[in-house]
Amino acid sequence: KNEVEQSPQNLTAQEGEFITINCSYSVGISALHWLQQHPGGGIVSLFMLSSGKKKHGRLIATINIQEKHSSLHITASHPRDSAVYICAVAYNTDKLIFGTGTRLQVFP
Amino acid sequence: DTEVTQTPKHLVMGMTNKKSLKCEQHMGHRAMYWYKQKAKKPPELMFVYSYEKLSINESVPSRFSPECPNSSLLNLHLHALQPEDSALYLCASSQVPSLTSSEQFFGPGTRLTVL
Repeated sequence: KNEVEQSPQNLTAQEGEFITINCSYSVGISALHWLQQHPGGGIVSLFMLSSGKKKHGRLIATINIQEKHSSLHITASHPRDSAVYICAVAYNTDKLIFGTGTRLQVFP
Repeated sequence: DTEVTQTPKHLVMGMTNKKSLKCEQHMGHRAMYWYKQKAKKPPELMFVYSYEKLSINESVPSRFSPECPNSSLLNLHLHALQPEDSALYLCASSQVPSLTSSEQFFGPGTRLTVL
């Protein structure tokens, strides 16, 4: 069983919709990362957070340490947001434990 | 310069070949990472270099040999690979070797095919 669970595994949306991707983890962590991977491979770091909420453009990430849960929200989704979104947690300093990813497709 | 570069983008090699993957960053980052990613799976950590010293080897077979010649460069030497080693190889760096306080910057990857 993966220590980092993401839901949903696959998500389709119409352009303009509000999107939420969820991430749950099993034990206390020091930090949580949200990553984006477009077809073709490159990974981009979207957020790193250990508490509260962060916002960057149309993206918002929240984390609830007590409930061991984080969400990534995309407002006013666009076809260019189509990608795999990966949640990864850092229990100690050296490495990340990755979730299995959420594949998002946004249609015009 | 805020990017991690990787060369080559694509590599096809036979099981008897020796080849190398190269990764470079000029952000002054002191930690560098190699990951292997199979299709539709998350990245798997292979190696971590911290201040140019190997700090983590995730029990990677010896046919993969990492090298960090200086703080900007990371190589992965490949020898006698198997077809199941075909994957996307990603390099990443972080400002410090602590992923509780530092984001990772990823390169575009090298897509490796072993025939």
